[in-house]
Amino acid sequence: GQQVMQIPQYQHVQEGEDFTTYCNSSTTLSNIQWYKQRPGGHPVFLIQLVKSGEVKKQKRLTFQFGEAKKNSSLHITATQTTDVGTYFCAGPLNSGGSNYKLTFGKGTLLTVNP
Amino acid sequence: KAGVTQTPRYLIKTRGQQVTLSCSPISGHRSVSWYQQTPGQGLQFLFEYFSETQRNKGNFPGRFSGRQFSNSRSEMNVSTLELGDSALYLCASSLDPWGKTQYFGPGTRLLVL
Repeated sequence: GQQVMQIPQYQHVQEGEDFTTYCNSSTTLSNIQWYKQRPGGHPVFLIQLVKSGEVKKQKRLTFQFGEAKKNSSLHITATQTTDVGTYFCAGPLNSGGSNYKLTFGKGTLLTVNP
Repeated sequence: KAGVTQTPRYLIKTRGQQVTLSCSPISGHRSVSWYQQTPGQGLQFLFEYFSETQRNKGNFPGRFSGRQFSNSRSEMNVSTLELGDSALYLCASSLDPWGKTQYFGPGTRLLVL
C-alpha cells in the first residue's frame, strides 16, 4: 500500500554538526508537512511545502520538496541541544475513493551531544 | 484560540478493564484523528472522524473504538485492556480530513498493569 518512508531512524550528532533527515513517498503528494516532537511532548507542526522544488527556511532549518513531489528533506545547520527530538514528515495519501489520510513517516530521532 | 485538549492526562488501569479517553479539538476543527505511540514505534494511526463519521481506520483490533459528537469532540474506547495497550494516546484535530495540517493534543498516557 501507499506509504511514507523516512530515514534515518536515529541520528546522533555532536553539537555544531549538521543534520539531515529524508522522507520519501510511494506516490506524488499534494503537500508535505514536517512536525517535531520533543522528548516527553507531542508532535508540533513546523511547516508545509506545496510546490514542486520548494525550499523554505526557518532559522537554521531548511526544508525542501522534491521536483517530483515524492520526496522531501529537512536539514539543520549547526545543531544545538534544543534541536533534540523526533522529526516526522507527513503527506496526504489516498485511503480509498475520495478519502485522504495524512500519513506520517516513522520519524527520525535526533540526539545532540553537547 | 485554545489548543487541543485531552482528558485524562494520565491513567492507570489493570488488564481486562476498559478505558475511555476524551479529546476536544480546536474550535472550528471538524476532523479528529487518534494515534497510539509507544517507544520506538512512531505514530500508529487508530482512526479519524469527521462530521461524526469514521472516515479512516488503522490496523487495530476491534477492542479499539471511537466516536465523534456533533460538537466535534471525540472519544476513544479500549475494551479488555492488555499490557501491550500501555502507550501514549494522541489526539489531533484539523479543519477537514483531506490531509490538512494536524494539531496535536498533549496526549493521555495509559499504563496497564
